[in-house]
Amino acid sequence: QVQLVQSGAEVKRPGSSVKVSCQASEDTFNINAFSWVRQAPGQGLEWMGQIIPRFAKTNYAQKFQGRVTITTDGSEKDTTTAFMEINSLRSEDTAVYYCAIETADGLIESWGQGTLVTVSS
Amino acid sequence: DIVMTQSPDSLAVSLGERATINCKSSQSLLYSSNNKNYLAWYQQKPGQPPKVLFYWASTRESGVPDRFSGGGSGTDFTLTISSLQAEDVAVYYCLQYYRSPFSFGQGTKLEIK
Repeated sequence: QVQLVQSGAEVKRPGSSVKVSCQASEDTFNINAFSWVRQAPGQGLEWMGQIIPRFAKTNYAQKFQGRVTITTDGSEKDTTTAFMEINSLRSEDTAVYYCAIETADGLIESWGQGTLVTVSS
Repeated sequence: DIVMTQSPDSLAVSLGERATINCKSSQSLLYSSNNKNYLAWYQQKPGQPPKVLFYWASTRESGVPDRFSGGGSGTDFTLTISSLQAEDVAVYYCLQYYRSPFSFGQGTKLEIK
């Protein structure tokens, strides 16, 4: 399975933005898709969206449409980095954000270690 | 969008006893062209990312003990632990990957009675 390494914890003010990265030691053409999933403290898993790197095609959950942007960068050989940016942060966005890789059939198989984003004034 | 509903929300079972978790989808997850159910089960322990247990509803991931089993088809699915062990204490989630946006069940917290 592909190893995923995410960026470190962030503390942000309400109304600001945060961009979380997720690095995979794999060429872009070998990655079917990245998914982003978040988990608020003590809550369940929430699927946010996905990107198919080869086509730069994205899909978002309705709840995050317009406020979340998922991108990838495959310019470095044998490495693909996915990014998830959230705008207009509010306290309810405090959560651990996970990136994950999907198989060709869409199964979310490999997970990053998670990035805690805390939104607080 | 497809809504996933798990039951129960929490479950306390004695060591060695059977535990059963249910997952219901608002639409069929069975893809007719390949006869596969696009349903996965995950186990999550505190401070860890989820770990896949089953995909295609009943295909066990490598390394998952055979006391775990997954079943069901269409809209109704189950995860069963035949003989609960202490290390099985966790939160379990189902996921539909039939259609984007993907969606998880709300989770079932499994504890020792």
